[in-house]
Amino acid sequence: DAGITQSPRHKVTETGTPVTLRCHQTENHRYMYWYRQDPGHGLRLIHYSYGVKDTDKGEVSDGYSVSRSKTEDFLLTLESATSSQTSVYFCAISEGGGKNEQFFGPGTRLTVL
Amino acid sequence: GDSVTQMEGPVTLSEEAFLTINCTYTATGYPSLFWYVQYPGEGLQLLLKATKADDKGSNKGFEATYRKETTSFHLEKGSVQVSDSAVYFCALTRDTGRRALTFGSGTRLQVQP
Repeated sequence: DAGITQSPRHKVTETGTPVTLRCHQTENHRYMYWYRQDPGHGLRLIHYSYGVKDTDKGEVSDGYSVSRSKTEDFLLTLESATSSQTSVYFCAISEGGGKNEQFFGPGTRLTVL
Repeated sequence: GDSVTQMEGPVTLSEEAFLTINCTYTATGYPSLFWYVQYPGEGLQLLLKATKADDKGSNKGFEATYRKETTSFHLEKGSVQVSDSAVYFCALTRDTGRRALTFGSGTRLQVQP
């Protein structure tokens, strides 16, 4: 299995509070992604990174920001959590360079009350 | 933009039955195609992939063929087991740009003994 961990695995928070989710990889892969999974929608891209300090938005980026200061870590921040951000969040990594399959972390279940 | 359409679930089968889960896509050019599987409470695992037309991906008894003419990538297995019960996602990506996955909404498979 690819070395990807996510923390925390579960979190309950209140509306209006900031939340940071962490993704850590040991594979030295260039590309990292944050997706959210909601019933009936599959997974949707929030943000992605194509290198240290290189990030860009996905389709559902409103209310989220990211940072990547090291190859191995990709942080997702909910600046002011809302109930619509209750979801399961998955981090994924990809090597690039013609190897385009992605490997996923175990997920973080976030509940915003 | 790119999109993936999967058959609605749940699909309920008896053990040893034949499985087909339909997947069609809309995309220009030649995307890479994937099937991922998600067991309860877990992240997504890559099941199989195909990177060019007429390629057949296979793994653990599952197969899917990249059909450019019908823009399809249907998942098949000749004899399902109870342990195959999971949610299956069809997805595509490109070899350039952000390389993010575009997912279908997922199909839940339930196999009864």
